[in-house]
Amino acid sequence: GQSLEQPSEVTAVEGAIVQINCTYQTSGFYGLSWYQQHDGGAPTFLSYNGLDGLEETGRFSSFLSRSDSYGYLLLQELQMKDSASYFCAVRFFPMNTGFQKLVFGTGTRLLVSP
Amino acid sequence: NAGVTQTPKFRVLKTGQSMTLLCAQDMNHEYMYWYRQDPGMGLRLIHYSVGEGTTAKGEVPDGYNVSRLKKQNFLLGLESAAPSQTSVYFCATSLVGSGSIGGETQYFGPGTRLLVL
Repeated sequence: GQSLEQPSEVTAVEGAIVQINCTYQTSGFYGLSWYQQHDGGAPTFLSYNGLDGLEETGRFSSFLSRSDSYGYLLLQELQMKDSASYFCAVRFFPMNTGFQKLVFGTGTRLLVSP
Repeated sequence: NAGVTQTPKFRVLKTGQSMTLLCAQDMNHEYMYWYRQDPGMGLRLIHYSVGEGTTAKGEVPDGYNVSRLKKQNFLLGLESAAPSQTSVYFCATSLVGSGSIGGETQYFGPGTRLLVL
């Protein structure tokens, strides 16, 4: 099966930099996605890594190392509005289907304080 | 454009009752998904559809049925609700399957909060 591990909670102050790690175990790995979810809201897509390396989108960056089965989301210049849950999700290809799927981690709650 | 909408937003059921959750999208996306989200467990895939008239099982399909009679609608049914089905249900769509360029992004609806007593 597939399993993902990420910290349950991270705290930081405004203006700081925070890194949220995600390690995974899966067969048929295809890529790693990150989603943000505010309390009471819907998940929204942040970034995707299909290849090793760093992807940058504004204040957010995401990194993947396929050989280490590891990725992280880096949030810079933290703002209060960044307080939310962040989910990593593995895209994988089950052998018995022709359809790639997403499996989500349990989420990391980020608390940004003034 | 409304994007992805879900009805109802909130519902309370008694054990054994049935209900249908509706997901509608105006993005002309082929792929649609139903997830449930429970505290500390992330999102788990219940059923999905790769196009009109098709459905397939996800990770946790037991106790649920789905139908995709029209491309823009994906229905999730609970025939006999149980307290274990108390959860927040999210519908999502993607332009293409996860294996295609552009398929890495899933767009989520606002969710339906279901309480089964």
